[in-house]
Amino acid sequence: ETGVTQTPRHLVMGMTNKKSLKCEQHLGHNAMYWYKQSAKKPLELMFVYNFKEQTENNSVPSRFSPECPNSSHLFLHLHTLQPEDSALYLCASSPQEVYNEQFFGPGTRLTVL
Amino acid sequence: KNQVEQSPQSLIILEGKNCTLQCNYTVSPFSNLRWYKQDTGRGPVSLTIMTFSENTKSNGRYTATLDADTKQSSLHITASQLSDSASYICVVSRASGGSYIPTFGRGTSLIVHP
Repeated sequence: ETGVTQTPRHLVMGMTNKKSLKCEQHLGHNAMYWYKQSAKKPLELMFVYNFKEQTENNSVPSRFSPECPNSSHLFLHLHTLQPEDSALYLCASSPQEVYNEQFFGPGTRLTVL
Repeated sequence: KNQVEQSPQSLIILEGKNCTLQCNYTVSPFSNLRWYKQDTGRGPVSLTIMTFSENTKSNGRYTATLDADTKQSSLHITASQLSDSASYICVVSRASGGSYIPTFGRGTSLIVHP
């Protein structure tokens, strides 16, 4: 295991639902990331947090709302999603915000109906 | 435009055989290049990292090479095992304002048959 956990591992939601993805790292890292991985496409960086502060938002639609209450926890709040948002959502952490080796969680497989 | 292209898209080999995966990039200014292995249902795990001055790096049966002049990298897997079946992702990072921004390739899907 990498020391990064994600829950839930699988999520099915309707377009009008509100749900949250959770990520927790036990590595003492300062930086945390959300990525989207769709079939046949490269990983897409969504958000970066360094010391709880958001340092990057890669033009992500507002229906995705991140929250980082402390350096160990990262959430992704979801509301009024679209079917094309169905993907694997990966959380990662690294020792510092300079994109040192990132340790990835197992991901949450999201299906939007 | 910063891009990372990987080939082949997929590869099937027999257990015990060697194989080589390719990565071409146009990322600039270059900082480092990583190869990740992603097993089905899991997140990517780093295999190797190379900076501009390094042209080869090994991790067990995995050997990565880097030609910074031609902007090409390869990942060579020796004596493949069934557990090598996975997606292999090339990630090239560029320096930007004190940070290092990664650009991910689509990955090569490797299947090792017994």
